[in-house]
Amino acid sequence: TQLLEQSPQFLSIQEGENLTVYCNSSSVFSSLQWYRQEPGEGPVLLVTVVTGGEVKKLKRLTFQFGDARKDSSLHITAAQPGDTGLYLCASQPTTDSWGKFQFGAGTQVVVTP
Amino acid sequence: NAGVTQTPEFQVLKTGQSMTLQCAQDMNHEYMSWYRQDPGMGLRLIHYSVGAGITDQGEVPNGYNVSRSTTEDFPLRLLSAAPSQTSVYFCASSRQGQGNQPQHFGDGTRLSIL
Repeated sequence: TQLLEQSPQFLSIQEGENLTVYCNSSSVFSSLQWYRQEPGEGPVLLVTVVTGGEVKKLKRLTFQFGDARKDSSLHITAAQPGDTGLYLCASQPTTDSWGKFQFGAGTQVVVTP
Repeated sequence: NAGVTQTPEFQVLKTGQSMTLQCAQDMNHEYMSWYRQDPGMGLRLIHYSVGAGITDQGEVPNGYNVSRSTTEDFPLRLLSAAPSQTSVYFCASSRQGQGNQPQHFGDGTRLSIL
């Protein structure tokens, strides 16, 4: 069973600072998704990474997929209060039947003005 | 543009009661799923469906039943509620794909079992 480990669990920073959150597994990801969840709402997809070594940018957010496709990171440059939320990574085991998505426990990010 | 709609938004039950959480999507998505979210544990998959008439168990299926009679609807049934089922429940839908299709989530049902 593929286990997605996210770190850190909690991150509190000042506006303008940079931050990085991580998602790791002992197994290879077929693909990996990053979601952001705000209080009282469901998660919303930020990006999907598929190819080892891939880097995707979404404004101030940079997503990296490890060469071995076992790890991924999300880097936020010059964080703003609107970046506050729970960041979740998700994937599905490559050896299991399609549809059994797994989520990491999430990183709670708080950006204060 | 409704997307994924969950009802009710909040519910309080007594131990042993039964209820159905409703989920409907208007995007003609083949895949639908139910998750529960507990503090510090992310989202855990309860049941999922890859199409009408097809359902399968996820990571934590015990105490829950599902059915998928139409593409649009995927209700989750609690047969005999237990305090351990107190949680926030999310329904999601997506197109078929190899894990690279975005999942669209509802806003959740907050369920308390007394």
